Amino acid sequence: EVQLVESGGGLVQPGGSLRLSCTASGFTFNNYWMSWVRQAPGKGLEWVADIKQDGSVKYYVDSVKGRFTISRDNAKTLLYLQMNSLRAEDTAVFYCARSRRSSGWYYFDFWGQGTLVTVSS
Amino acid sequence: SYELTQPPSVSVSPGQTARITCSGDALPKQHAYWYQQKPGQAPVVVISKDSERPSGIPERFSGSSSGTTVTLTISGVQAEDEADYYCQSADRSGTYVVFGGGSKLTVL
Repeated sequence: EVQLVESGGGLVQPGGSLRLSCTASGFTFNNYWMSWVRQAPGKGLEWVADIKQDGSVKYYVDSVKGRFTISRDNAKTLLYLQMNSLRAEDTAVFYCARSRRSSGWYYFDFWGQGTLVTVSS
Repeated sequence: SYELTQPPSVSVSPGQTARITCSGDALPKQHAYWYQQKPGQAPVVVISKDSERPSGIPERFSGSSSGTTVTLTISGVQAEDEADYYCQSADRSGTYVVFGGGSKLTVL
């Protein structure tokens, strides 16, 4: 059974940093792209970043470029999101998701339950 | 940046047909996916590649595509279908992922 479990969320002050982790199990982790998707309270879904199987390619939404870094440890089946210079508008539930990508299509087939990040003084 | 446009809300009575549209310039080139999200839960795919229904999804869910618009159709809506629905696709290059703003389906 595929499982994705996020951790590391919490309350942080504006300008602060936080590192999210996602523990993956039930599938061959290094065969898949992985992503972070967030959802601000009462708002819609927003893709944040994704990373290729070997970590060699990473993409980010414009609003987090230069502040967030996605990474992975295939030996430990862990996905990370390092978040720096956090802003109030980064407050959201962050989901870890397994990605399926090919020419002409891209989607998320499994999701974790999410971890809440609150940026506030 | 690329955007997908959905109506914010759709309301139907039980047993009726609900249709939720999603428009985007790159949809003729990139497949669309539809997710159902209930309060406090992670999203679940209900339609893949514009019109394919994953295993375990009821037959009343269907999808179609025409030009720059894709449509999620729920026939014979049930109370349990009340949820937020999001379309998702990629930009023309296939590099960046985008979600529609979401449509809240209310079953009257």
